[in-house]
Amino acid sequence: NAGVTQTPKFQVLKTGQSMTLQCAQDMNHEYMSWYRQDPGMGLRLIHYSVGAGITDQGEVPNGYNVSRSTTEDFPLRLLSAAPSQTSVYFCASSYQSEQYFGPGTRLTVT
Amino acid sequence: SQQGEEDPQALSIQEGENATMNCSYKTSINNLQWYRQNSGRGLVHLILIRSNEREKHSGRLRVTLDTSKKSSSLLITASRAADTASYFCATANAGNNRKLIWGLGTSLAVNP
Repeated sequence: NAGVTQTPKFQVLKTGQSMTLQCAQDMNHEYMSWYRQDPGMGLRLIHYSVGAGITDQGEVPNGYNVSRSTTEDFPLRLLSAAPSQTSVYFCASSYQSEQYFGPGTRLTVT
Repeated sequence: SQQGEEDPQALSIQEGENATMNCSYKTSINNLQWYRQNSGRGLVHLILIRSNEREKHSGRLRVTLDTSKKSSSLLITASRAADTASYFCATANAGNNRKLIWGLGTSLAVNP
């Protein structure tokens, strides 16, 4: 099993550009989530999904969209990148409570 | 919003010593979990303790939970240089055990 995979590993965007961060898991987990991690701020939940077709907002959803058309995939879209979105983004999945994390995407917006 | 608060923020010890870090939280929980994050990597689940448990062991890890004080501690015994990492606590509230609330982490440096 590959677990949780994320692409790309690194990305540099210019302000105003859009992009999609990919996340996939092969563990058949219903629950998936996106976090951002900034120095001194810990992990903050952006969006989460309790199953295919169901998504909900976390604590910092503004500027991001998600969709969940399959159990395996949970892409995160940045609509119009801003320097404040410079961060490390982690995708995670879980069956019960324990979460499994991807390796992260380091995003820089200039 | 952050519920867990780890203490200390940073800890530096020698190899072979024990490391203790603490986590406090604010609301009733279903369980509390500890994760490790090596520099530049994703988080890895270490141990989960349920609200009706007081102590749990996994290898060199010992976790305690005091629900009356809303606090938990993680003890790493006989530390190794490879234990150098950041350690995070996360709580799952009663009613939703999959939406975790995270602390800010303790940065542990184990010096050889």
